[in-house]
Amino acid sequence: SAVISQKPSRDICQRGTSLTIQCQVDSQVTMMFWYRQQPGQSLTLIATANQGSEATYESGFVIDKFPISRPNLTFSTLTVSNMSPEDSSIYLCSVSETGSTDTQYFGPGTRLTVL
Amino acid sequence: AQKVTQAQTEISVVEKEDVTLDCVYETRDTTYYLFWYKQPPSGELVFLIRRNSFDEQNEISGRYSWNFQKSTSSFNFTITASQVVDSAVYFCALKSGYNFNKFYFGSGTKLNVKP
Repeated sequence: SAVISQKPSRDICQRGTSLTIQCQVDSQVTMMFWYRQQPGQSLTLIATANQGSEATYESGFVIDKFPISRPNLTFSTLTVSNMSPEDSSIYLCSVSETGSTDTQYFGPGTRLTVL
Repeated sequence: AQKVTQAQTEISVVEKEDVTLDCVYETRDTTYYLFWYKQPPSGELVFLIRRNSFDEQNEISGRYSWNFQKSTSSFNFTITASQVVDSAVYFCALKSGYNFNKFYFGSGTKLNVKP
């Protein structure tokens, strides 16, 4: 399976600022996904990032708040904009190597605390 | 509608005990995939198993075993002779529906294995 890294692994940010999270994969993958996991909760899909096209956002998530880039088949970024304490979560990147029926493998996550 | 229910919020066992984590899913599709992931305190989701809807054979991998029963829409996970390192949150997930990229995660079961 693909090896996935995320930067930063954790951060503490001030209200109103923005943070960009990077996801790097060691091989080319078709699909990349961004999830949010609020404290003690399950995972919620934010958006699907495909190379060469706009990200597809799930209900409740908008591009202005969570802009995503996917410049190539091994890299993606998620920005959390104009942060508030409610954005404090673990943000996870996942990848699917060959297509929609494939298993998703997850990165180590980014623990974000907003003060 | 797609849904995954993990009714057990938290389970505590003593090392070497067997433990079963329950997962009940809902879908009207005939083609779907079921998954189990482990999330240790470090936060990373570790893939454990993937099962498609056409394969009802149970699977055993070391101390881990999975019981897939379409008749009861269940995909239960048993750990035999549990160890402290098994302490984690375990998520069951479903892929089905018009958006085959999307995972439907259960709420997770936190397993505490005490020495």
